[in-house]
Amino acid sequence: QKEVEQNSGPLSVPEGAIASLNCTYSDRVSQSFFWYRQYSGKSPELIMSIYSNGDKEDGRFTAQLNKASQYVSLLIRDSQPSDSATYLCAVKNRDAGGTSYGKLTFGQGTILTVHP
Amino acid sequence: EAGVAQSPRYKIIEKRQSVAFWCNPISGHATLYWYQQILGQGPKLLIQFQNNGVVDDSQLPKDRFSAERLKGVDSTLKIQPAKLEDSAVYLCASSLFKGAVEQYFGPGTRLTVT
Repeated sequence: QKEVEQNSGPLSVPEGAIASLNCTYSDRVSQSFFWYRQYSGKSPELIMSIYSNGDKEDGRFTAQLNKASQYVSLLIRDSQPSDSATYLCAVKNRDAGGTSYGKLTFGQGTILTVHP
Repeated sequence: EAGVAQSPRYKIIEKRQSVAFWCNPISGHATLYWYQQILGQGPKLLIQFQNNGVVDDSQLPKDRFSAERLKGVDSTLKIQPAKLEDSAVYLCASSLFKGAVEQYFGPGTRLTVT
């Protein structure tokens, strides 16, 4: 089982719709969860971080975390063509010493296309 | 504030040749990361430095890959000898400290091994 798993897509939604991106992770002690956006040929950029169960909203983006189900999602409201990109889910755990955060593990990414 | 700088941006080599990538992190960032991103996959951490010490190199293929950060600033990643499966984008990232939330990525070096 992969440590972080995403639907590879592609996910295609019309402009103005809600895009829903999903991610599951295997390590129950995972602490921090991130969504990165990566445009074609560009490097990843952080768009959302979430640490506790529930929802976190930032503009048109909402991250949702359910630690019991080991599930994290990203909703993009009023999707725009400029949102077309690969969305990477990433998970960070505490390191072996337990005193600080360990490495970032990425999923394979979901390709999102928003068509006019 | 200048971002993470990487060079070269593109490199094409033949298998069994050697190659080196350079990274200059954001000024003042103590933690530096090298990731390998194969087409269609997410980035995979190869090595993480805290200042000039290695924090995690568990996924670095040490028989052919090496990395150093001698003065705690710039870093070099080397592959010797290269294999076809090393074709990927090599991303360098930095963060203010080890537990910092955000990692800032450089533009990457696209390596093609023929």
